[in-house]
Amino acid sequence: DIQMTQSPSSLSASVGDRVTITCRASQSISSYLNWYQQKPGKAPKLLIYAASSLQSGVPSRFSGSGSGTDFTLTISSLQPEDFATYYCQQSYSTPFFGPGTKVDIK
Amino acid sequence: QVQLVQSGSELKKPGASVKVSCKASGYTFTSYAMNWVRQAPGQGLEWMGWINTNTGNPTYAQGFTGRFVFSLDTSVSTAYLQISSLKAEDTAVYYCARKNIVVVPAAMGADYYYMDVWGKGTTVTVSS
Repeated sequence: DIQMTQSPSSLSASVGDRVTITCRASQSISSYLNWYQQKPGKAPKLLIYAASSLQSGVPSRFSGSGSGTDFTLTISSLQPEDFATYYCQQSYSTPFFGPGTKVDIK
Repeated sequence: QVQLVQSGSELKKPGASVKVSCKASGYTFTSYAMNWVRQAPGQGLEWMGWINTNTGNPTYAQGFTGRFVFSLDTSVSTAYLQISSLKAEDTAVYYCARKNIVVVPAAMGADYYYMDVWGKGTTVTVSS
């Protein structure tokens, strides 16, 4: 099975900061990587699919990049509504999720 | 609008069974497979498997075989998750999520898929 790791596990940031979250696969998954945002008590929300395609309705401050084993989710200017936990998920094989990265207020 | 509406919270005793429903609206139910995802308290997301809404054929992730059953009633556009012989460790929020696919030419590799519509989740609590 392909395992997913994320770093950091948590981070503190301020409104307006540029935030980067990294996801790594245990073997190459090409571009078969999705990103989700989850706020407390809410269902996950799809942000990015196929590593870099922005889901309809998602603000353009979110972007994804990478291929192979290393991927990043970038928030160009953190907004108050972006404080949440972010999960990557591979769709190359069994769709395991990464362990998540919690973004909270500095 | 496209949405998945899940059934309400459940409190069950160990050894009992529970059936969670997920009713789809706003799209053709049989055009998209349905995933099930579990989230234990304070934990991350765990993919349980998915069901082909055309054929009814389920695929279960490792660790979700035996006591977990996915089913459908296409006449009411609803997917179900049934868990039998409940244990305390089954306490979690269970989500249904639509499986969407971006088809790519075969020469370019496999199709991309992702979970683009989610239900709000059903909390199942197992306690004596």
